[in-house]
Amino acid sequence: EAGVAQSPRYKIIEKRQSVAFWCNPISGHATLYWYQQILGQGPKLLIQFQNNGVVDDSQLPKDRFSAERLKGVDSTLKIQPAKLEDSAVYLCASSRGTSTNEKLFFGSGTQLSVL
Amino acid sequence: AQTVTQSQPEMSVQEAETVTLSCTYDTSESNYYLFWYKQPPSRQMILVIRQEAYKQQNATENRFSVNFQKAAKSFSLKISDSQLGDTAMYFCAFMKHVSNQFYFGTGTSLTVIP
Repeated sequence: EAGVAQSPRYKIIEKRQSVAFWCNPISGHATLYWYQQILGQGPKLLIQFQNNGVVDDSQLPKDRFSAERLKGVDSTLKIQPAKLEDSAVYLCASSRGTSTNEKLFFGSGTQLSVL
Repeated sequence: AQTVTQSQPEMSVQEAETVTLSCTYDTSESNYYLFWYKQPPSRQMILVIRQEAYKQQNATENRFSVNFQKAAKSFSLKISDSQLGDTAMYFCAFMKHVSNQFYFGTGTSLTVIP
C-alpha cells in the first residue's frame, strides 16, 4: 500500500514570496490533515478536510494561508506572502475517516525555509 | 482545540532499562482516542500505540504499553527494554470521535544511552 506522498521535500524562498505544497493521501482515505511543525514544537493543526469539505480550519492564518482539496483526493496548501515565522515543516496526514479503528498516516513533510 | 500536555521536554534512559513518558489532556468529550507517535530525525511520524477511551484495558504493543487513567485524563507511555532505535521525539495525541479532529502535545525528546 502506497503511503502519503508530499512534495517538494525542501523549499527555500524569500519573505513575501509565494509557495505551494502538494499532498496525495492514501487511496480511499476520506480525511486529510495539514499540520505546521515549528522546530522543537509539536505539530499544529492548520486544516482538516473530510472528502472535499472543511472540518476544522480554526488555526489557519487565512490572511496568508489557503488550502484546497479538489475532488476529495489531492490537496494543496499555499502561503502568500510568506513571512519569516512560516519557516517550519509542513506535514500532511490522512485517515480513513470512518471513526472506527482510526489512526493517522503521515507523509515525510516539506521543510520550508523563509529567508 | 483540545489541550494535550507533555510536561517532560527531554528524557534519557540507559539501554535495556524502562522509561515512562507522561501525558495529560483536557476534554469534555466522553468518547475519543489517544495515541503515541514517534518522530525520529527523518521527520517521519510513526504510530507507536493507540488507546480507545471506552476501553478500560490498557493497550500494549510489544515493548510499549500505556497507563490510561480516564478520570485523571492521564495517558503515559512505558517503554521496556529500551533500545538505541527508540531515540526520537515522542508525541502524545488526542482524536475526537466522529469528527476525527486530531491534536498533538508538545513532545518529549527521548535519548537512549548505550
